Amino acid sequence: GNSVTQMEGPVTLSEEAFLTINCTYTATGYPSLFWYVQYPGEGLQLLLKATKADDKGSNKGFEATYRKETTSFHLEKGSVQVSDSAVYFCALVDFSGDDKIIFGKGTRLHILP
Amino acid sequence: SAVISQKPSRDICQRGTSLTIQCQVDSQVTMMFWYRQQPGQSLTLIATANQGSEATYESGFVIDKFPISRPNLTFSTLTVSNMSPEDSSIYLCSVDRDRAEGYTFGSGTRLTVV
Repeated sequence: GNSVTQMEGPVTLSEEAFLTINCTYTATGYPSLFWYVQYPGEGLQLLLKATKADDKGSNKGFEATYRKETTSFHLEKGSVQVSDSAVYFCALVDFSGDDKIIFGKGTRLHILP
Repeated sequence: SAVISQKPSRDICQRGTSLTIQCQVDSQVTMMFWYRQQPGQSLTLIATANQGSEATYESGFVIDKFPISRPNLTFSTLTVSNMSPEDSSIYLCSVDRDRAEGYTFGSGTRLTVV
């Protein structure tokens, strides 16, 4: 079945550091890939998405590229801010299957001033 | 993307009681989804609610514990029944109105059972 694996947290970085959160997936079809962010005390917000191989999603300085050859969708940001502290979830949806969204376990990010 | 209003945002409840959570969407959607997020964990799908039919529950979740209503295409409720401290979680509703936009989530209901 389909699954998402993302790096364990928590990840602690200093402000302005470079961020990478790894995400790999297993899917039988051609899924769409997503990163969601959950700020403290809030629900999930869509951060970025990619619907096909080699697509790059970007938003708020974050980027992720859909790599079919490595089945990866790593999240990157060149210079993080304290306000980026949150939990980040990688997810996939196989719209040719049952349309259910499958989440990774989440990665908690702490940014120190 | 769709806008979802979920309430209550949080509640503290006594064990043995029930809480009903409401989700209102700003447009008509075929399916609404209910999730549970236990402390420090990812999201687990409880059930899928279609208007005009019984909700479809995932393994480990039953209708008697989590009854769901879906009276129209913009509204759904989830009830957490006969609560115990193990039910303390964040409960979220979600819709998939536009495949290109992915899923939209409500702001969540943070439930504490004492």
